[in-house]
Amino acid sequence: DAKTTQPTSMDCAEGRAANLPCNHSTISGNEYVYWYRQIHSQGPQYIIHGLKNNETNEMASLIITEDRKSSTLILPHATLRDTAVYYCIAMEYGNKLVFGAGTILRVKS
Amino acid sequence: EAGVAQSPRYKIIEKRQSVAFWCNPISGHATLYWYQQILGQGPKLLIQFQNNGVVDDSQLPKDRFSAERLKGVDSTLKIQPAKLEDSAVYLCASSHLAGGYNEQFFGPGTRLTVL
Repeated sequence: DAKTTQPTSMDCAEGRAANLPCNHSTISGNEYVYWYRQIHSQGPQYIIHGLKNNETNEMASLIITEDRKSSTLILPHATLRDTAVYYCIAMEYGNKLVFGAGTILRVKS
Repeated sequence: EAGVAQSPRYKIIEKRQSVAFWCNPISGHATLYWYQQILGQGPKLLIQFQNNGVVDDSQLPKDRFSAERLKGVDSTLKIQPAKLEDSAVYLCASSHLAGGYNEQFFGPGTRLTVL
C-alpha cells in the first residue's frame, strides 16, 4: 500500500473549517484513501473513504485531487470535540489498515 | 448497537509476569483484530481473525504473545512473559467482513504498564 505523508500537527479555531492535507503521491489505481481519527483515550474511529470522487458524509468531506496524489479531509465546522489525531491511510480494498503517526488537530476556542 | 467491549481498561504488571486481555466484538462481526499502540505512534496490527481462524499474524511476537478466538466470538490476547517494551495500549477492533468495506470498529483499549 502507498505511503502517506501528513503534517505533524495543526490548529483550528472553533467553528471554522478544519482542512487536513494528506500526500499519497505513489498511490495506485486500486488504492482507496481512508481517514480515521483517534480522540484521546479512545480507539480510532472511521470517518470517510474514497477512491476518485469527492465524498461527503455527516462527519466530513473528502476532496481527492484529479491525479489522486493528494487529498484533503474537511471538517466544515470544527468543535472542541474534534480535537484528535487524524490518520490518512491509502490501501487496497480489503487490505489491512497500516496507521502512521497522523496529524494532531487542536481545535481552540 | 453495543460497541466493542474490552477488559480490563488498565493493567500494571512487573516484567516477566503474564497478562491476558479480553475482547467482545460487535455482534455478528466475523472479523476481529488486535492492535498494539505504543505512546506517540499509530496502532500496529498484531493479529486478525476471520471467525475463529487466523488470517494474519505476521507481526505477532509469537515467542511471547498468543491469541485465540474460541467459537468465533470473544477473543483473548495473552503475553507471557511480559517485557518492558510491551507497555502500550492494546486495541481490539471488529468488522462485518474481511475484505471489502473496511470500516473497523474499535474498542476503548487496555492500557498495559510493565514495570
